[in-house]
Amino acid sequence: AQRVTQPEKLLSVFKGAPVELKCNYSYSGSPELFWYVQYSRQRLQLLLRHISRESIKGFTADLNKGETSFHLKKPFAQEEDSAMYYCALSGYSGAGSYQLTFGKGTKLSVIP
Amino acid sequence: GAVVSQHPSWVICKSGTSVKIECRSLDFQATTMFWYRQFPKQSLMLMATSNEGSKATYEQGVEKDKFLINHASLTLSTLTVTSAHPEDSSFYICSARDLSTGSYNEQFFGPGTRLTVL
Repeated sequence: AQRVTQPEKLLSVFKGAPVELKCNYSYSGSPELFWYVQYSRQRLQLLLRHISRESIKGFTADLNKGETSFHLKKPFAQEEDSAMYYCALSGYSGAGSYQLTFGKGTKLSVIP
Repeated sequence: GAVVSQHPSWVICKSGTSVKIECRSLDFQATTMFWYRQFPKQSLMLMATSNEGSKATYEQGVEKDKFLINHASLTLSTLTVTSAHPEDSSFYICSARDLSTGSYNEQFFGPGTRLTVL
């Protein structure tokens, strides 16, 4: 079974401070991991995925297979980063199908 | 990017009635769509995988007779909540894969439908 754990429900940081949103996963195969973000009153949207190794809006995330982690980081938080962040794992669910398993989400609040 | 729409955005219905929610991929074809349910302040829970031209695959614990899914075309999947009860009140979200992006596993999400059953 695949599982995604986000240990923090809420994370509050001051503007300009570093941010790290934690994500750990459990999956027997080779996972594909994503971070999705949901701004207030908006739909869920993809922030970044591990295979792209890109930085989006200043955020980066590195897959650490040894620690089974995919933490999301940003060196300097901005007020507009306040949102709900979901870590997700895409894994094989059988019968030729892949599905996304979401963590419970972390609400990031950036204090001005 | 790929756009997914849902209709309606919100619906209020009486207990015992049925409600249909539509999910459309606006600028791409989606052979596979997904239906999620999200309770307040909780994560998204996958309900079922909708495959164009074939039966949907339901997750464990989801009643297929309660939540009817039809994916008759490459751009439309519908979720019908039959004989709705107050405990069915929730936020229903659909997503779709756009295989033309090159990422098999990336999903694009609709804005969600808020269902309230009185």
